[in-house]
Amino acid sequence: AQSVTQLDSQVPVFEEAPVELRCNYSSSVSVYLFWYVQYPNQGLQLLLKYLSGSTLVKGINGFEAEFNKSQTSFHLRKPSVHISDTAEYFCAVSEATQGGSEKLVFGKGTKLTVNP
Amino acid sequence: EAQVTQNPRYLITVTGKKLTVTCSQNMNHEYMSWYRQDPGLGLRQIYYSMNVEVTDKGDVPEGYKVSRKEKRNFPLILESPSPNQTSLYFCASSFSGTSGRAHTQYFGPGTRLTVL
Repeated sequence: AQSVTQLDSQVPVFEEAPVELRCNYSSSVSVYLFWYVQYPNQGLQLLLKYLSGSTLVKGINGFEAEFNKSQTSFHLRKPSVHISDTAEYFCAVSEATQGGSEKLVFGKGTKLTVNP
Repeated sequence: EAQVTQNPRYLITVTGKKLTVTCSQNMNHEYMSWYRQDPGLGLRQIYYSMNVEVTDKGDVPEGYKVSRKEKRNFPLILESPSPNQTSLYFCASSFSGTSGRAHTQYFGPGTRLTVL
């Protein structure tokens, strides 16, 4: 079984500052990794995903994440945030096995608040 | 436009009154799933379906039923709702891992349910 830990439940930052949202996972098998974003009163939208290959993954809206297998981490970063990045961010994992389950296991979320 | 739709978006009901939340996708996805989102708990899977007539329990199935008679639809049924089922519900869909296609789940806009 997999589990995901998002280390910060809330992260306040000022506009144009860099931000890192932390995610660690636990799994006995290889995993795929995802970051989803939920803007206020909306559904979840995929920011980026790691399936294989390069460990640095670039997503939408200037976000990127780095897969670190030895540290079982998949931290999300953005060099300069905007007010519009205020949202809740979810890290998720699924099994990376042939014919494996599509089930996503989510972390509890990190609320990013960007202040002017 | 490729999308997952849910209805209703908002619902207030009373304990014990049966209700159905509909979910429909137009992407010909094999896999569909229901999640509930509660503050501080992230998203937890209720039920999922690998294809037509194939459904299985997720992590929190108690008090819920589902059916998958058509590929595009995956309704969530609460036969006798209780206040602890007050939550935000999301439907999601994706291609199946067995198809070898990209592992991205697309989410509906959510249904906010209040059970009094």
